[in-house]
Amino acid sequence: DTEVTQTPKHLVMGMTNKKSLKCEQHMGHRAMYWYKQKAKKPPELMFVYSYEKLSINESVPSRFSPECPNSSLLNLHLHALQPEDSALYLCASSPSEGTNTEAFFGQGTRLTVV
Amino acid sequence: GENVEQHPSTLSVQEGDSAVIKCTYSDSASNYFPWYKQELGKRPQLIIDIRSNVGEKKDQRIAVTLNKTAKHFSLHITETQPEDSAVYFCAAIFYGQNFVFGPGTRLSVLP
Repeated sequence: DTEVTQTPKHLVMGMTNKKSLKCEQHMGHRAMYWYKQKAKKPPELMFVYSYEKLSINESVPSRFSPECPNSSLLNLHLHALQPEDSALYLCASSPSEGTNTEAFFGQGTRLTVV
Repeated sequence: GENVEQHPSTLSVQEGDSAVIKCTYSDSASNYFPWYKQELGKRPQLIIDIRSNVGEKKDQRIAVTLNKTAKHFSLHITETQPEDSAVYFCAAIFYGQNFVFGPGTRLSVLP
């Protein structure tokens, strides 16, 4: 299994809603990432989890809250988002911190905030 | 801070011609350089990567070269085909785990 699976594929939410994005991998990878990608832009790193611990938070607003319940799962909890947060949210995983190997990306969740 | 520059931002070539995309990076400690291809509405997918102990790597029609002294690396696609049309991102890894992407190159292969 070389897949990173993200759910849902599409999400429309109001500014007062609370929702969660989910990411799952069964490759035994110990580093997992959340990226945000706006149209015609590169993915921008939001968070890195290494061995289930948050190791990088790229100054992301607190309305985005990551969670890593176990080594296979990564969640992104969303609350009180703004329309400018609409984007493609990509999850990725790699074997572990420091191994300098490929990051495998999920297909993304296309989020629209109305 | 970490920075990856990429040129050109758009590139159009005739089918069968070669395409070259160039990237530079800021951190001399970076030692892993992947290239991702992203088709419209899809996830980025790795097409080739290179590590700092290697100067060149080739996989069929795709090759990557790395000049660590100059801190730049390039993607070469030969015999381009319409299905090569996509956005290509170079990336460098910083601090062993932080992938930073270049701004992307939109490649169009014209039949």
